[in-house]
Amino acid sequence: DAGVIQSPRHEVTEMGQEVTLRCKPISGHNSLFWYRQTMMRGLELLIYFNNNVPIDDSGMPEDRFSAKMPNASFSTLKIQPSEPRDSAVYFCASSPAGGTFEAFFGQGTRLTVV
Amino acid sequence: GQSLEQPSEVTAVEGAIVQINCTYQTSGFYGLSWYQQHDGGAPTFLSYNALDGLEETGRFSSFLSRSDSYGYLLLQELQMKDSASYFCAVRTGRRALTFGSGTRLQVQP
Repeated sequence: DAGVIQSPRHEVTEMGQEVTLRCKPISGHNSLFWYRQTMMRGLELLIYFNNNVPIDDSGMPEDRFSAKMPNASFSTLKIQPSEPRDSAVYFCASSPAGGTFEAFFGQGTRLTVV
Repeated sequence: GQSLEQPSEVTAVEGAIVQINCTYQTSGFYGLSWYQQHDGGAPTFLSYNALDGLEETGRFSSFLSRSDSYGYLLLQELQMKDSASYFCAVRTGRRALTFGSGTRLQVQP
């Protein structure tokens, strides 16, 4: 198995532009998570899907952020418009049915907004 | 909400034993997990405890006391490659992991 696949690995964009991050979870996993990591705030949960349905989006910073999971093998996190404070590493993770003690993380997308 | 506390940095020498503590405050506690993250890498799962006691996985062990809201990760026979950040994480009734701020472990020769 290739693991959780995220794209792009690096993204540099100008303030105000739309950014879309992509994630392919491990086949058969029915839980998907988006996390954001910064030095100041650590690893923060943004949103959690179970069976493609958003269960908890209380971590989404504001309306500029949106996430979708149209099917079991794909999810997107969109930021529109982007701001410099959105610069961070964004991780997607998935876990199998029955619990989330063990989440499998993708390699992350390093986003820089200038 | 949830809160987790762990030391920000720990330094130890090769071959030694180090313990990284984690205290938590949360509702609907299901268990405590530990993750390792090397610089520039992704968090990777090390172990978890759902019940009180010690779980051993090779050189790594993890302990949980639910009554004390406390756990620790024990790393034995430290190697240089163990230099990384270590995160404790709690699973709550929402079934999503909340991570602590991480402990940066530096192993010296």
